[in-house]
Amino acid sequence: QKEVEQNSGPLSVPEGAIASLNCTYSDRGSQSFFWYRQYSGKSPELIMSIYSNGDKEDGRFTAQLNKASQYVSLLIRDSQPSDSATYLCAVRNYGQNFVFGPGTRLSVLP
Amino acid sequence: GAGVSQSPSNKVTEKGKDVELRCDPISGHTALYWYRQSLGQGLEFLIYFQGNSAPDKSGLPSDRFSAERTGGSVSTLTIQRTQQEDSAVYLCASSLAPTGTSSYEQYFGPGTRLTVT
Repeated sequence: QKEVEQNSGPLSVPEGAIASLNCTYSDRGSQSFFWYRQYSGKSPELIMSIYSNGDKEDGRFTAQLNKASQYVSLLIRDSQPSDSATYLCAVRNYGQNFVFGPGTRLSVLP
Repeated sequence: GAGVSQSPSNKVTEKGKDVELRCDPISGHTALYWYRQSLGQGLEFLIYFQGNSAPDKSGLPSDRFSAERTGGSVSTLTIQRTQQEDSAVYLCASSLAPTGTSSYEQYFGPGTRLTVT
């Protein structure tokens, strides 16, 4: 059973702080990794994709991938109340086989 | 440009009735996925279409569920003899053909909220 695990949260951070969201996956052959943001009652929205080890930065967001540890994370700098949402980690194992994690609920406190 | 569209946005049906949910992917996207999300739960993969290849139906929960994709574009998910446990949000996503790493990025439609009474 290929699994993607995330802490369900809620993760609470003060406005302006760095929010760190973590995801682990079980299939060592996983090839592509994605972070989605989902506001309550809305559909998932793609934030970042990452394919190779290391960091990838896009604005206030940084995705980090460590394939040896089977770990991918998302850092949100200068967190804003509008960042409050559920963040879904998704992993592509092979072909178009995707597995989504259960999501981490982030709450940014003003 | 236009994103993924789904219809209807909400559907209330009586137990035992059949329902059809529609998905119109982003123009030029050859891959199309259906997912189900129950209240407070993660995304459950249902079915995947890629071009003219046979669909990957491995996620369909029972033979009451079926899907087709006509002309490589619009897709319809059909649920026969609906049950209360079918109540969920049904999400459709599309992506480009898998010819490069970025082509695996999926873009979701707004979803159809299905309620079976």
